Amino acid sequence: QVQLQQWGAGLLKSSETLSLSCAVYGGSFSGYYWSWIRQPPGKGLEWIGEINDNGDTKCNPSLKSRVTISVDTSKNQFFLKLTSGTAADTAVYYCARAHGGGSNSHLIDYWGRGTLVTVSS
Amino acid sequence: EIVLTQSPGTLSLSPGERAILSCRASQSVNSRRLAWYQQKPGQTPRLLIYGASSRATGIPDRFSGSGSGTDFTLTISRLEPEDFVVYYCHQYGTSPYTFGPGTKVDIK
Repeated sequence: QVQLQQWGAGLLKSSETLSLSCAVYGGSFSGYYWSWIRQPPGKGLEWIGEINDNGDTKCNPSLKSRVTISVDTSKNQFFLKLTSGTAADTAVYYCARAHGGGSNSHLIDYWGRGTLVTVSS
Repeated sequence: EIVLTQSPGTLSLSPGERAILSCRASQSVNSRRLAWYQQKPGQTPRLLIYGASSRATGIPDRFSGSGSGTDFTLTISRLEPEDFVVYYCHQYGTSPYTFGPGTKVDIK
């Protein structure tokens, strides 16, 4: 059974950098896209970006200048950094697994439990 | 960016009734790469439907999906008490991958 365990600071001040980590247990780490999605309180879901085990990344253009997604394949972990935080970045951040190829490429099937990150002014 | 619009925003029905949720895309969704997720309060989204019409593992057959191009539908044939939550459509065919704003199904 695939499990994604995530952690990171839950409270930031405005202009600080958000940093989150996600460890993958069970299943293969290669052949998938490892993704980040966020959800502001009471609102909908926003795809942030993804990375594969080769380090190839895609990011949402709305956040691209502030986002870095990286991977450590030796530990089956991937990471999110979002710079210059503002109150608008307050959200539950999820790490997730997406299929790596075939007709279901980029389909998200496993999610972490989410981390609430609050950016205070 | 493909914008997804879901309607209605809120659907008020009674247990046992049929729910029909709509998701419309601003451009054609590549290869029917359209998924539906269910989210209960305080929980992670749960994959219901992928490829527009395929049920995910363990999903009851009262959930069905249909559609292609820009118009997609999630149908819940007979609402159970645990189905009164929020549903999101999601296109994963064209980056940036996007989600609809959600439809809340609540008890009438």
